[in-house]
Amino acid sequence: RKEVEQDPGPFNVPEGATVAFNCTYSNSASQSFFWYRQDCRKEPKLLMSVYSSGNEDGRFTAQLNRASQYISLLIRDSKLSDSATYLCVVNVYSSASKIIFGSGTRLSIRP
Amino acid sequence: GAGVSQTPSNKVTEKGKYVELRCDPISGHTALYWYRQSLGQGPEFLIYFQGTGAADDSGLPNDRFFAVRPEGSVSTLKIQRTERGDSAVYLCASSPGTNNEQFFGPGTRLTVL
Repeated sequence: RKEVEQDPGPFNVPEGATVAFNCTYSNSASQSFFWYRQDCRKEPKLLMSVYSSGNEDGRFTAQLNRASQYISLLIRDSKLSDSATYLCVVNVYSSASKIIFGSGTRLSIRP
Repeated sequence: GAGVSQTPSNKVTEKGKYVELRCDPISGHTALYWYRQSLGQGPEFLIYFQGTGAADDSGLPNDRFFAVRPEGSVSTLKIQRTERGDSAVYLCASSPGTNNEQFFGPGTRLTVL
């Protein structure tokens, strides 16, 4: 089983729709969580950190469920420019920091 | 300000050759990470430096891979006796600390023929 799992998609939704995807992690020692966005043939860029209480940044909302070991990303009023791959990132603190990326969820917004 | 830079942007080499990939992190960032990304996959952790020392090299696939950061700034990833399976995009990221946002460079696309 992968340490961080994501539905690869693609999610193909119309502009203006709301879309959500989850990411599950297996290591209960995971301590910090992030969503990164990666455009085709570009480097990943931080979209938002994920806090225990949940957090919102404009049209984007991130949630963490430690009991069930998953994080989620909700995008409201989706724009064409939201088309990208969304990477779930988990930071596990053991003897040293270990950063684990999911394989990503592809999102395509159609006009 | 300047972001993370990586050179070369593309590297084509033959099986069995030695390659060096360079990463210039953002000035002042103490943490530096190397990842490898294959098509359709997320970045795979290779090694993490805190200052000059490798704090975690558990992601290096085998002893053909080695990385250094002698002065706590620029880092070089070295791959000996390259194999076709080493072909991937090698990404470098830097961060002010271990639990902060990582800033990625544009990557080096390595192709081993």
